[in-house]
Amino acid sequence: NAGVTQTPKFRVLKTGQSMTLLCAQDMNHEYMYWYRQDPGMGLRLIHYSVGEGTTAKGEVPDGYNVSRLKKQNFLLGLESAAPSQTSVYFCASRIGFLGNQPQHFGDGTRLSIL
Amino acid sequence: AQSVTQLGSHVSVSEGALVLLRCNYSSSVPPYLFWYVQYPNQGLQLLLKYTTGATLVKGINGFEAEFKKSETSFHLTKPSAHMSDAAEYFCAVSPQTGANNLFFGTGTRLTVIP
Repeated sequence: NAGVTQTPKFRVLKTGQSMTLLCAQDMNHEYMYWYRQDPGMGLRLIHYSVGEGTTAKGEVPDGYNVSRLKKQNFLLGLESAAPSQTSVYFCASRIGFLGNQPQHFGDGTRLSIL
Repeated sequence: AQSVTQLGSHVSVSEGALVLLRCNYSSSVPPYLFWYVQYPNQGLQLLLKYTTGATLVKGINGFEAEFKKSETSFHLTKPSAHMSDAAEYFCAVSPQTGANNLFFGTGTRLTVIP
């Protein structure tokens, strides 16, 4: 059982380039999340989804877009990458509505913007 | 609004010594509480959680945490540190209602000295 899988694991972009990060989960979870992790700041929520076809903004959504066309996939897009978006990006999923259930995390995507 | 404070961004202990990692939260209503661990170049792994019931919760790898409502705290402890405990630890809270998003502390890096 793979859990939450993120691709790619590493990427270097030039300023202004675009790219999409893919998150796939095989646990049939309803809720999915994208976070960024920066030194000394913990994890901050970018966008999240409470089900197929739905998305919502988190704490730091500017410069990112997301889509949840299939229940198992949650895509994070950078339309015009900026150096401030250099970070480690984590995807997570949760079974559903009950907040007492934990989120399950992928291993992260390390993104550098030059 | 939810917030989490982890006192001490770096904690060093000797192998075999007590581990104490501090977490305080701010919330108008007691939230759900989580501790996650992150090993180098990996995603976050759930250590333990408090939702309801017994205020002392036991997790994996010999860790435990106690929910103290009067102190709004959820400190993580382990009686005897092991070299393999060296990692970064994150405290997180989730409100009991709404989208139940996780709010993370800034993390505490634990070093274990042989």
